[in-house]
Amino acid sequence: AQKITQTQPGMFVQEKEAVTLDCTYDTSDQSYGLFWYKQPSSGEMIFLIYQGSYDEQNATEGRYSLNFQKARKSANLVISASQLGDSAMYFCAMRGEWTGNQFYFGTGTSLTVIP
Amino acid sequence: DGGITQSPKYLFRKEGQNVTLSCEQNLNHDAMYWYRQDPGQGLRLIYYSQIVNDFQKGDIAEGYSVSREKKESFPLTVTSAQKNPTAFYLCASSIGAGMNTEAFFGQGTRLTVV
Repeated sequence: AQKITQTQPGMFVQEKEAVTLDCTYDTSDQSYGLFWYKQPSSGEMIFLIYQGSYDEQNATEGRYSLNFQKARKSANLVISASQLGDSAMYFCAMRGEWTGNQFYFGTGTSLTVIP
Repeated sequence: DGGITQSPKYLFRKEGQNVTLSCEQNLNHDAMYWYRQDPGQGLRLIYYSQIVNDFQKGDIAEGYSVSREKKESFPLTVTSAQKNPTAFYLCASSIGAGMNTEAFFGQGTRLTVV
């Protein structure tokens, strides 16, 4: 079974500061992919970043980076230099080599950037 | 522009009525998904389809039905058997079932039972 846990229902960050959103996962698959999505108030889910379980380096995409610690089964999202437009819900998700027919999502973290 | 189009954006339904949510994609993706989102519960999978004329139940399929007659279309019907249909519904697609392929989402449909 696959499970994604996001323990931070809400987070606040000062504009221009960095923030880390936590994500832990549980899976029986040996190979899997981890994803982060942003959901603004408009509702659409926007793909941010991907990390493969066998990738040796942490993924980065612009101001987004993924702190991947395989042994701890964690895949935290780091947003650097926060902007007001970063205020949104953030979801961690995964799909496995044997369960790749669906994505498993966490319950999300609401991020508010304070000016 | 390539993407996923969901319609309508807002939908109101009377109790006891069936209603169909539209989802169209022009990304040439094989896999399509329907998710339901309730506050504090993240996204839960209703149905998914990996190829035309084939679809599988997700975790909360009861009270819902789908069809996949064309690659680009994956409509979702919320039937009167769904006891609590008020929710935000998201349609998504991906190139395939590979673990390294992300899902692309539509704008969502907010369904309210009145």
